[in-house]
Amino acid sequence: NAGVTQTPKFQVLKTGQSMTLQCAQDMNHNSMYWYRQDPGMGLRLIYYSASEGTTDKGEVPNGYNVSRLNKREFSLRLESAAPSQTSVYFCASSAAFPPLHFGNGTRLTVT
Amino acid sequence: QQPVQSPQAVILREGEDAVINCSSSKALYSVHWYRQKHGEAPVFLMILLKGGEQKGHEKISASFNEKKQQSSLYLTASQLSYSGTYFCGTESGTGFQKLVFGTGTRLLVSP
Repeated sequence: NAGVTQTPKFQVLKTGQSMTLQCAQDMNHNSMYWYRQDPGMGLRLIYYSASEGTTDKGEVPNGYNVSRLNKREFSLRLESAAPSQTSVYFCASSAAFPPLHFGNGTRLTVT
Repeated sequence: QQPVQSPQAVILREGEDAVINCSSSKALYSVHWYRQKHGEAPVFLMILLKGGEQKGHEKISASFNEKKQQSSLYLTASQLSYSGTYFCGTESGTGFQKLVFGTGTRLLVSP
């Protein structure tokens, strides 16, 4: 059982470049999430999708867009990457109740 | 606003006990505890609900004081496998999909 799968695992971008982080879950969960993790800051919610067809902003949505492609997939797009977006990005999913199941993360560096 | 965790870091010898605290400035409906080992995804430990009792998971237990808006995680007779960073996530009435995580407590258990 794969759980939550994120691609890519690592990415280096130059300032101004765009990219999409992919996330897929095979647990038939309704809710999916994108978090970023920075040293000393813990996990901060970027966007979440409570169900297919809906998305909502979290604590730090600026500079990001999301798409809930279907029940399994939730992507995060950086339209014009900035050094401040250097971080580890985690996707997670959940049923209608806790807990959150996290993917293994994408380490993004913006130079 | 992020909950405050204390201590920020703790070093234990195998077999020793530790307490990790999580304090919020907001009224809490639930507190969720996760552990993250280095380079891995966060993993759910337990959830404390408003009005609920103290929870336990083997030698790891937690309490939730609603009036003080605080939760504490108790690690008893620590094992090497307990090493990692512990995060509390708090829910303040906006639903568990919008958990706000603390900045984490780094725990190192040495032989």
